[in-house]
Amino acid sequence: DAGVIQSPRHEVTEMGQEVTLRCKPISGHDYLFWYRQTMMRGLELLIYFNNNVPIDDSGMPEDRFSAKMPNASFSTLKIQPSEPRDSAVYFCASRGRPEDTGELFFGEGSRLTVL
Amino acid sequence: DAKTTQPPSMDCAEGRAANLPCNHSTISGNEYVYWYRQIHSQGPQYIIHGLKNNETNEMASLIITEDRKSSTLILPHATLRDTAVYYCIVVIRGGGSEKLVFGKGTKLTVNP
Repeated sequence: DAGVIQSPRHEVTEMGQEVTLRCKPISGHDYLFWYRQTMMRGLELLIYFNNNVPIDDSGMPEDRFSAKMPNASFSTLKIQPSEPRDSAVYFCASRGRPEDTGELFFGEGSRLTVL
Repeated sequence: DAKTTQPPSMDCAEGRAANLPCNHSTISGNEYVYWYRQIHSQGPQYIIHGLKNNETNEMASLIITEDRKSSTLILPHATLRDTAVYYCIVVIRGGGSEKLVFGKGTKLTVNP
């Protein structure tokens, strides 16, 4: 299994531009999580999906952030418009069985720099 | 979910056992203890979890005190590649609380 795949690995953009981060979870995993990591705030859960349905988006910072999961094998996290304070590493993670609450498989992350 | 307290940093000599402590004094009966680590620039990696019995796998051992208010992750023979931030997390398993909340963790440095 290739694990959780994220793209792009690195993104540098200018303030005001739209950013789209992509994630392919492990096949068969029903849960997908988006985390953001910064030095100041550590790892923060932004949103998670179960069977392609957003369950909890209380961590999404503001309306500039949106996430979708059109099918079981693909999710996007979009920031529009981007701001310098959005600079962070964004991780996607997936999980299989519901009883495996704590066993997440993380991707390698997408490092975003907004100038 | 219960909160955890970990020392911000620890050092260990290569080849020696690394013992990483975690306090979770408010843990409830149905909450599990999970450990993750994050090697620089990589995504967090699951290590081990337990409820009340000690657990061991190919990566580490987890010792949970009888009152479950604290636990220790043991890396029996630390290598330089074990240098990472280690996170201790308590969460209800399969109980509907699906969120995994990471604290600041312990930065373990394994020295040659």
